[in-house]
Amino acid sequence: ETGVTQTPRHLVMGMTNKKSLKCEQHLGHNAMYWYKQSAKKPLELMFVYSLEERVENNSVPSRFSPECPNSSHLFLHLHTLQPEDSALYLCASSLGLRGDNEQFFGPGTRLTVL
Amino acid sequence: EDKVVQSPLSLVVHEGDTVTLNCSYEVTNFRSLLWYKQEKKAPTFLFMLTSSGIEKKSGRLSSILDKKELFSILNITATQTGDSAVYLCAVVFSNTGNQFYFGTGTSLTVIP
Repeated sequence: ETGVTQTPRHLVMGMTNKKSLKCEQHLGHNAMYWYKQSAKKPLELMFVYSLEERVENNSVPSRFSPECPNSSHLFLHLHTLQPEDSALYLCASSLGLRGDNEQFFGPGTRLTVL
Repeated sequence: EDKVVQSPLSLVVHEGDTVTLNCSYEVTNFRSLLWYKQEKKAPTFLFMLTSSGIEKKSGRLSSILDKKELFSILNITATQTGDSAVYLCAVVFSNTGNQFYFGTGTSLTVIP
């Protein structure tokens, strides 16, 4: 247990569906992240939130929409996804955005887009 | 373009062997280098390195950073089957804020 939880753990959705991934951290951290992990590719940083404000976007397609209502919760809203969006989506948190702050990862949501 | 390269991509060893995993990077405004172990789920943190030449050690695992030659190594001695995992290297650097780049990982398989 890293103190970071994600739900659901598995999700299968059609290309026309709308769904949301949820991440919660119980560590008192101020920064939270969404990563995408596809097979045989490096982890891709999608979004970073620090103190509920989005800091980095990294040119993620608009069909992925993050929401951070408070420093403990992070959502990733999904709509009109493509099959190539199928991947493991990992949430992480850290104390702050300093480069030497360790990130704690959640277990991930395995997403399959049909 | 900034990048992180890990080698080898995969490795199969017998229990008791010693392995050395490599991570080289090319980034500007380097802040730190992180090693993670990933089994079937999310990565778990192993080491954070910020200074050259200072070895970090945890049990059978150790790691060191060379900021002049821009690489880090992760050593595992007396390997066990439980060491089988993908080992990820991540480099933190400052651009318009702090960013992280992960390597593709080294897949280690330890056979009895």
